[in-house]
Amino acid sequence: NAGVMQNPRHLVRRRGQEARLRCSPMKGHSHVYWYRQLPEEGLKFMVYLQKENIIDESGMPKERFSAEFPKEGPSILRIQQVVRGDSAAYFCASSPPGQGSPYEQYFGPGTRLTVT
Amino acid sequence: GEDVEQSLFLSVREGDSSVINCTYTDSSSTYLYWYKQEPGAGLQLLTYIFSNMDMKQDQRLTVLLNKKDKHLSLRIADTQTGDSAIYFCAESLSGYSTLTFGKGTMLLVSP
Repeated sequence: NAGVMQNPRHLVRRRGQEARLRCSPMKGHSHVYWYRQLPEEGLKFMVYLQKENIIDESGMPKERFSAEFPKEGPSILRIQQVVRGDSAAYFCASSPPGQGSPYEQYFGPGTRLTVT
Repeated sequence: GEDVEQSLFLSVREGDSSVINCTYTDSSSTYLYWYKQEPGAGLQLLTYIFSNMDMKQDQRLTVLLNKKDKHLSLRIADTQTGDSAIYFCAESLSGYSTLTFGKGTMLLVSP
């Protein structure tokens, strides 16, 4: 059973470009979470999604950031018009269906975004 | 509000015990976790504890929870060089599935 997959592992974008980060949850998992880790910081929650639904986006910046988890395919975190402050590691986690057992969040290896 | 604090750095010698400490502010936290992050890698769940427990032991790992002081600790017995990593304390609230993380403690184990 493959773990949580994220791609790309490293992404370099120039200011003003768009960044698309992909996350494929573990097989059988229907809950996806995105976290951001700024340099020398802990992970900060961004958004929690289930298939075709955004459950909680309280951690998402109000502008330029969006996330989706379609019925088919991976979850996508999109950052439009990137700025230097968006440079960070973005981690995806998944958990199985049910009541959202918090202790069953499995993390992917992360995408490290660098904005030049 | 939610806030999780950890010391930033700990250095021990191989074979010694390591104790990593964490404090949190939200008294309604129900689940408390320890994650390990090796360089360039994602987070690996090491262990967790429910807030109605005082202690949990899992092989070389011992978690102690002082709910009154909102203090959580992770003890690693017989620390090995492979234990060198960043350790994150995290909490989640009752009925809420997202995690709030501390900034992490870098553990350096020297031979």
